[in-house]
Amino acid sequence: AQKITQTQPGMFVQEKEAVTLDCTYDTSDQSYGLFWYKQPSSGEMIFLIYQGSYDEQNATEGRYSLNFQKARKSANLVISASQLGDSAMYFCAMREWYNQGGKLIFGQGTELSVKP
Amino acid sequence: DAGVIQSPRHEVTEMGQEVTLRCKPISGHNSLFWYRQTMMRGLELLIYFNNNVPIDDSGMPEDRFSAKMPNASFSTLKIQPSEPRDSAVYFCASTTGTGTDTQYFGPGTRLTVL
Repeated sequence: AQKITQTQPGMFVQEKEAVTLDCTYDTSDQSYGLFWYKQPSSGEMIFLIYQGSYDEQNATEGRYSLNFQKARKSANLVISASQLGDSAMYFCAMREWYNQGGKLIFGQGTELSVKP
Repeated sequence: DAGVIQSPRHEVTEMGQEVTLRCKPISGHNSLFWYRQTMMRGLELLIYFNNNVPIDDSGMPEDRFSAKMPNASFSTLKIQPSEPRDSAVYFCASTTGTGTDTQYFGPGTRLTVL
């Protein structure tokens, strides 16, 4: 079964607008962490934001915020005021502290294109 | 501070040759991970180490793949013999293993096996 599902293979957004990238997850673990990474065309994986399963507040990091809905098992990434440099692949990932040990399980990614 | 360092950045080799990929984790990080990224399978974990000890190698595709971590600042991933289906980007990542346990990735090694 898919542990991490990103249903949007590709997304377009106009520069300066906000965009939401979807991520749903599946786990029976009570303790887990959710991560978003950005992969630009140059290929590196850049950590963006983290949300813990026990965190009551949605995580924010600059223009990135995570819309965490635990009951729905979703962890959507919101990018505000999109910039051309935001064009990249975005990966949602999960770490289950007990079931999976240290490894991250990644979704298939969403390719975001920002239009000028 | 230096991030995770990987070498080489690009490797082109012929089928049957031995390939060695290298990784230097961030200083002070005690967990190290090797991932492989392909179009077909996405990002998948191959193996990870805690305090230089292999913990989970269930993702290693077959006996042709081996990984070592002789000390806290160096790890290798070896493929012998290499095959065209091993062509992929190989990432190394490290983490402190505490707090949010965020994994920081190296720039990757793009391997092409002809």
